[in-house]
Amino acid sequence: AQRVTQPEKLLSVFKGAPVELKCNYSYSGSPELFWYVQYSRQRLQLLLRHISRESIKGFTADLNKGETSFHLKKPFAQEEDSAMYYCALSGGGRWLTFGEGTQLTVNP
Amino acid sequence: NAGVMQNPRHLVRRRGQEARLRCSPMKGHSHVYWYRQLPEEGLKFMVYLQKENIIDESGMPKERFSAEFPKEGPSILRIQQVVRGDSAAYFCASSPRQVSGNTIYFGEGSWLTVV
Repeated sequence: AQRVTQPEKLLSVFKGAPVELKCNYSYSGSPELFWYVQYSRQRLQLLLRHISRESIKGFTADLNKGETSFHLKKPFAQEEDSAMYYCALSGGGRWLTFGEGTQLTVNP
Repeated sequence: NAGVMQNPRHLVRRRGQEARLRCSPMKGHSHVYWYRQLPEEGLKFMVYLQKENIIDESGMPKERFSAEFPKEGPSILRIQQVVRGDSAAYFCASSPRQVSGNTIYFGEGSWLTVV
């Protein structure tokens, strides 16, 4: 079974502060991990995936297999980063399992 | 490429009526996924389809819900005899092949309200 846990439903930071959105997963094989972002009532957009190791909008995430984590980080949060963030896992390539999501609010 | 198209965007149904949600995948995509987002909750997988085949429906409620992806036309998620608890956002996604190694793209969602 595959499972994704995002322990924080809500996260609030001030503009310019560092931000870290936590994601832990459970999967017995080699997972593929993703972060998606959803701005207010819009479609989910892929933010990044671990296999590409690229940085989008200043966000990065590193897969830590020992801790089974894939935390999303940004050194300096911007107001436009306010959105819902979902961590997702693909185990075996069939479909994505999503975490519950973290609503990030960046205050001016 | 128009992206994943869902319609209607908003649908209001009375209890006991039927709801039909349509999803046209991106051009060239033959894999379709339906997810449900209940109020204040995350996305829950419902069903995974390829053309004319249901590959995995482990997330579908056992009764009243069905999905299809015919050879021609959009994928349809059908909810019979809707109840208030069916009120949710229903998202469709598509990919060219299996998720592994590929990105899935989401539609803008269909918001169902049952009154």
